Amino acid sequence: EDQVTQSPEALRLQEGESSSLNCSYTVSGLRGLFWYRQDPGKGPEFLFTLYSAGEEKEKERLKATLTKKESFLHITAPKPEDSATYLCAVRQSGSARQLTFGSGTQLTVLP
Amino acid sequence: SAVISQKPSRDICQRGTSLTIQCQVDSQVTMMFWYRQQPGQSLTLIATANQGSEATYESGFVIDKFPISRPNLTFSTLTVSNMSPEDSSIYLCSVGEGSYEQYFGPGTRLTVT
Repeated sequence: EDQVTQSPEALRLQEGESSSLNCSYTVSGLRGLFWYRQDPGKGPEFLFTLYSAGEEKEKERLKATLTKKESFLHITAPKPEDSATYLCAVRQSGSARQLTFGSGTQLTVLP
Repeated sequence: SAVISQKPSRDICQRGTSLTIQCQVDSQVTMMFWYRQQPGQSLTLIATANQGSEATYESGFVIDKFPISRPNLTFSTLTVSNMSPEDSSIYLCSVGEGSYEQYFGPGTRLTVT
């Protein structure tokens, strides 16, 4: 059974204090690892897709990386508007695009 | 990416009643998905809805409780039947077409009293 574990559950940072969120996964035949951002009361917003170990994607202050067992979402010099819950999800080969989500990391960036 | 809308955005319903949630997409898509997000929890897939075929339900979800319609390539509905307080959740629809990522609607926040 696919497992996706995110850590930490919650993270509080000062504005400008860089850090990383972790997503470890157990899946046979990974067909994509996805990062989403979710603001309170809203649907998840797509950020990145990673397909193979060694791949990296960047968007503004966010950088996602992938190894064979985990992914990291690096946040460089965060701002208060980066506060949100960050979700990762995996898709297994043959799963017809179903995604298995982790429980998320709630990030709070203090001014 | 597709633009997805859901109706209603929120509702408060009484125990034993049913609510139908609508999901509208601004382009034709083959696959639509319905998720549940219970308070403080992550997303759990309820079912996959393909146009022209019966919805495929995940373990723990049954058609009698969560009937789904998919009349065309831009629209789907999810009904939450015979509701109980445990059904209080955010219900989300998503679409995945072409690439592997899915795009989500804004969600429907349901409270059952």
